[in-house]
Amino acid sequence: KAGVTQTPRYLIKTRGQQVTLSCSPISGHRSVSWYQQTPGQGLQFLFEYFSETQRNKGNFPGRFSGRQFSNSRSEMNVSTLELGDSALYLCASSLVGGGRSIEQFFGPGTRLTVL
Amino acid sequence: AQSVTQLGSHVSVSEGALVLLRCNYSSSVPPYLFWYVQYPNQGLQLLLKYTTGATLVKGINGFEAEFKKSETSFHLTKPSAHMSDAAEYFCAVSDGNSGYALNFGKGTSLLVTP
Repeated sequence: KAGVTQTPRYLIKTRGQQVTLSCSPISGHRSVSWYQQTPGQGLQFLFEYFSETQRNKGNFPGRFSGRQFSNSRSEMNVSTLELGDSALYLCASSLVGGGRSIEQFFGPGTRLTVL
Repeated sequence: AQSVTQLGSHVSVSEGALVLLRCNYSSSVPPYLFWYVQYPNQGLQLLLKYTTGATLVKGINGFEAEFKKSETSFHLTKPSAHMSDAAEYFCAVSDGNSGYALNFGKGTSLLVTP
């Protein structure tokens, strides 16, 4: 099976612009989560989608948003970019089944640089 | 809310020596615990996980971890370090009550010297 794929792998934007990142989960996985990784704050949870619905959201401003499509692919959008949004954005997918949380499989990430 | 603390942001071991990376968790409910590894310019790879059952968990690449509820710990070990083990290691916790969200520790950078 193909792993989690993220596009693009690298992005350079300027302050004030907006950006959209894409994530394709492992085939059959219905839950997609997004994380932001920075040297200062480490790995922080952004949000999770399941069946096209946001199920959980981390502590990020409203400039960060996402969505999930019927084929489980997900996008996240950041509007009005700030320098502090420079980070590695990681997408992870999970096979939803009975019971509680199980492992997430991560993509390679999108490296966003805001100038 | 659940959280993890990784003791030691940098750990250095000699090739062939024991690797011990420490992780303590805080959770109001029985946790799910994970160790992930990240190599430069890559995503996270799952090493092992604890959900329920056996408290000694074996993972990939010779790593294992033991869930100790009394000590609220989930330390990662490997009997003999290899140069290829040099990477960033993250401990993470989920309680299952917040979907699949993972709370990560700050990470431990493992350096392996010849």
